[in-house]
Amino acid sequence: EPEVTQTPSHQVTQMGQEVILRCVPISNHLYFYWYRQILGQKVEFLVSFYNNEISEKSEIFDDQFSVERPDGSNFTLKIRSTKLEDSAMYFCASRTGGNTEAFFGQGTRLTVV
Amino acid sequence: KQEVTQIPAALSVPEGENLVLNCSFTDSAIYNLQWFRQDPGKGLTSLLLIQSSQREQTSGRLNASLDKSSGRSTLYIAASQPGDSATYLCAVYVGNAGNMLTFGGGTRLMVKP
Repeated sequence: EPEVTQTPSHQVTQMGQEVILRCVPISNHLYFYWYRQILGQKVEFLVSFYNNEISEKSEIFDDQFSVERPDGSNFTLKIRSTKLEDSAMYFCASRTGGNTEAFFGQGTRLTVV
Repeated sequence: KQEVTQIPAALSVPEGENLVLNCSFTDSAIYNLQWFRQDPGKGLTSLLLIQSSQREQTSGRLNASLDKSSGRSTLYIAASQPGDSATYLCAVYVGNAGNMLTFGGGTRLMVKP
């Protein structure tokens, strides 16, 4: 069964460093997303991406964040200068169209020290 | 702003019981609603998607209903098993053409053998 794949599963980084979280969405999906879940809190929307551009983003997704689809399979989230409060589980998701279910990856646990 | 609430926050039942998990949302102008399962430290597994024009959806022992006008959804689990122990998340599609999910805080279910 096709699945969304995220790497790495766990990343530890020092405050101020740049990190890139990687995702391989399901191959025939057209809509791509990043969400995050701070420990003990709700899952929060960060950004959606369609047709090679951001279609929607939340207040959390400020200038420190960027997304890219560098080739036909990968979808990345970059955090330029990490802060302690960026520590969270980051989930990538994808879906085929606007009226279909979203499928989530297993997440990358980011720890900023 | 859309708020999604799930009650109860935690539930412990003996194996074999039928149970109902509740989800409410403040703005009835949603596109679709999706139920997920999350195991500790893991990703989100899609259980059911209910489109806005539907009243219910079934998959195996799971049945989800949607009443948009009252801002409610329920997830019914029949004949619960210890393997059903997990956190169950409800999320509604909102935003630009229903392009983002707003999540509830989840119901943590434990099914005791």
